[in-house]
Amino acid sequence: GAGVSQSPRYKVTKRGQDVTLRCDPISSHATLYWYQQALGQGPEFLTYFNYEAQPDKSGLPSDRFSAERPEGSISTLTIQRTEQRDSAMYRCASSLGGTGANVLTFGAGSRLTVL
Amino acid sequence: DAKTTQPPSMDCAEGRAANLPCNHSTISGNEYVYWYRQIHSQGPQYIIHGLKNNETNEMASLIITEDRKSSTLILPHATLRDTAVYYCIALQGGKLIFGQGTELSVKP
Repeated sequence: GAGVSQSPRYKVTKRGQDVTLRCDPISSHATLYWYQQALGQGPEFLTYFNYEAQPDKSGLPSDRFSAERPEGSISTLTIQRTEQRDSAMYRCASSLGGTGANVLTFGAGSRLTVL
Repeated sequence: DAKTTQPPSMDCAEGRAANLPCNHSTISGNEYVYWYRQIHSQGPQYIIHGLKNNETNEMASLIITEDRKSSTLILPHATLRDTAVYYCIALQGGKLIFGQGTELSVKP
């Protein structure tokens, strides 16, 4: 696609429910990032993919968080047994990847509210 | 892996140049410096990046010191719409890590 698309834009869920967020990156982009952004804070790195490989998931806050990119394009971020502290904006970004400069294009984000 | 430090906030008069500093004293020789900004609740927007040489594009200029330990983002004629949080970032282990950034307020 022309840009990075995320869905849903807004998600309200009850504590304990599972949530899956989706990111559709720019079609030519090999690298895909997930960030979590709390209100008034900068984006916090969660994980990233090079195609379907996931070299770094050190930013995932707990084992309730997982991400997939099985075919190297669309990615999902799943939060199991959601807690109120998971409420945040979740941002996806993609880039061409490879060596050299790594310019990210961000999607509009998915705002998660856990009640 | 490089870490960046920026002042938490700055003011600038409309129409004047905004100069936003960033220290990245631990940057390695092959790490680019990137600048992004975030306006309200929008997603971060790419501004410019550089390695060793000064860079200029339609949005801004980036001045990198010869030792690469610091850089300055210059918005030549700031407008009210440039009010945003500006992030200076260096790659850390292949990933872009955002700090707290500089909140720039452009005032009439």
